[in-house]
Amino acid sequence: DADVTQTPRNRITKTGKRIMLECSQTKGHDRMYWYRQDPGLGLRLIYYSFDVKDINKGEISDGYSVSRQAQAKFSLSLESAIPNQTALYFCATSSGANEQFFGPGTRLTVL
Amino acid sequence: GEDVEQSLFLSVREGDSSVINCTYTDSSSTYLYWYKQEPGAGLQLLTYIFSNMDMKQDQRLTVLLNKKDKHLSLRIADTQTGDSAIYFCAEEDQAGTALIFGKGTTLSVSS
Repeated sequence: DADVTQTPRNRITKTGKRIMLECSQTKGHDRMYWYRQDPGLGLRLIYYSFDVKDINKGEISDGYSVSRQAQAKFSLSLESAIPNQTALYFCATSSGANEQFFGPGTRLTVL
Repeated sequence: GEDVEQSLFLSVREGDSSVINCTYTDSSSTYLYWYKQEPGAGLQLLTYIFSNMDMKQDQRLTVLLNKKDKHLSLRIADTQTGDSAIYFCAEEDQAGTALIFGKGTTLSVSS
């Protein structure tokens, strides 16, 4: 089984809809991250969390919110989706050492 | 601010060497990383180098670090079609809390 899973893998939604992307990990890591990837722009950090009670904004947090429900779960919400939030979203985990482990990504399309 | 720059595309023939270059701005980064993203997948750590090293070799991969010029390179020897992917250079942010990624270099290997 994959160590970092994301659901859904693909989602098409309409402008103004609320949507939640979920991430679960079995690696036992405290640190979890949400990134978005856009063609030609690389990965940009949206939010990160170092434990259940710790939530921090990243480079591009506007229009997004997160919830750390448990050590293993970190969800990303778009309260009112807009077309420029169409992107590939990645969750990642880390123990604080060198490596971040990435999920397979969620492709979100906002019409 | 912190920034990581890399060229967007590289095209090589199978069997040739590939060299992907990266420049970064934060000289305090303890580690510098190379991640690989295959089509339709998340990112996987390919290799990393400690900031007090000049070179690291791992099978077909050679990482060179020039701290004076803040330049990092990844050399892939005997490039194979399976090496076709997007390669991301990354440094740690100044707080050591997250990674800053370059925009990614798409490596295309032709047979």
